[in-house]
Amino acid sequence: NAGVTQTPKFQVLKTGQSMTLQCAQDMNHNSMYWYRQDPGMGLRLIYYSASEGTTDKGEVPNGYNVSRLNKREFSLRLESAAPSQTSVYFCASRDRGSWPQHFGDGTRLSIL
Amino acid sequence: TQLLEQSPQFLSIQEGENLTVYCNSSSVFSSLQWYRQEPGEGPVLLVTVVTGGEVKKLKRLTFQFGDARKDSSLHITAAQPGDTGLYLCAGGHTNAGKSTFGDGTTLTVKP
Repeated sequence: NAGVTQTPKFQVLKTGQSMTLQCAQDMNHNSMYWYRQDPGMGLRLIYYSASEGTTDKGEVPNGYNVSRLNKREFSLRLESAAPSQTSVYFCASRDRGSWPQHFGDGTRLSIL
Repeated sequence: TQLLEQSPQFLSIQEGENLTVYCNSSSVFSSLQWYRQEPGEGPVLLVTVVTGGEVKKLKRLTFQFGDARKDSSLHITAAQPGDTGLYLCAGGHTNAGKSTFGDGTTLTVKP
């Protein structure tokens, strides 16, 4: 039972580098989400996808892009990484008509 | 922006003590979830409450949704070290497609 799988688990980047965070879910959920979690600030929504083929901005979208590749996969891209984007990134999915979200174990990203 | 305020932000207690953490908002939510997050892992759902005044129990944990569906509380009886973690509340709306998360309460239970 994999649930939500995120890769990589850890990454260190230099300022200005680009990278894509991958997320896949095997629960046939329609909605998928990307959050960042900073110390003492809980979870802040970056982007979400209510269904395959749609994406919407969340609370803190600047500096990020997303792609809903298919129903299973939702990727998050940093085009030009900045130190302010150092954080733990969580992907989550949710079934239509059901509120609880299922989270992956996170990607710990450090930008120097 | 709809805000969920959690209190206290940090709580450190001895094993066996009781505690209550709160989740408050000025907005009405269709449902509210409580999650627990352990270090190095993602949040894991504990409970969903949807009806104003609803009370749900999960072993030593009691969750209550306010009558007006704007606030919630989590009460833990006889806390154990295994209860240590970050407790997050999240509120959702039926047609919104997304939830609002509080900043969490970090609970430490000392043996």
